[in-house]
Amino acid sequence: GENVEQHPSTLSVQEGDSAVIKCTYSDSASNYFPWYKQELGKRPQLIIDIRSNVGEKKDQRIAVTLNKTAKHFSLHITETQPEDSAVYFCAGQTGANNLFFGTGTRLTVIP
Amino acid sequence: DGGITQSPKYLFRKEGQNVTLSCEQNLNHDAMYWYRQDPGQGLRLIYYSQIVNDFQKGDIAEGYSVSREKKESFPLTVTSAQKNPTAFYLCASSVTGSRINQPQHFGDGTRLSIL
Repeated sequence: GENVEQHPSTLSVQEGDSAVIKCTYSDSASNYFPWYKQELGKRPQLIIDIRSNVGEKKDQRIAVTLNKTAKHFSLHITETQPEDSAVYFCAGQTGANNLFFGTGTRLTVIP
Repeated sequence: DGGITQSPKYLFRKEGQNVTLSCEQNLNHDAMYWYRQDPGQGLRLIYYSQIVNDFQKGDIAEGYSVSREKKESFPLTVTSAQKNPTAFYLCASSVTGSRINQPQHFGDGTRLSIL
């Protein structure tokens, strides 16, 4: 089955700087890649997703890029704010199969 | 998402006891999922159901059981056979499991601990 690896496991940035989280996947047939944000003790919330027919997608300060050849995708957060501090999970899906999640990145934005 | 309700928020299990975690959704979603989350790890799939009266094992189904008698409900039972049940349990749903690229939406979770 699919295997999704996520790096780094922890990331600290100064407020206003950018943060980048990277994920790789193993199944070249994977075609859907969502990103979730989870605050402490709360539910994971979908923040952005990308499909394999698109190379990049943006939503205000958040963007996701996908490189199908290299089988990796990345989350970019610009102009980080303290409320961006959370654990971020990437995931991959092949067709109608289940999601496979990365192990998460704990992002800390230092005021 | 307010449409997925998990209860209770906290649950304590005694040795040899079975406990049931509730998950209800009013989103009219066909597919429902149960995940286990341990510290420092991602979400691992326990069971999923794509349609009423049908469910499938995920990656870590041993020691767990589920039922799907109604579209809106997907309870998870943690049996005494699950020797390390302490974790955060998350329920999710999606429009349908048979169509591609359907995002999953999560409940607030149940934190289960051993007494």
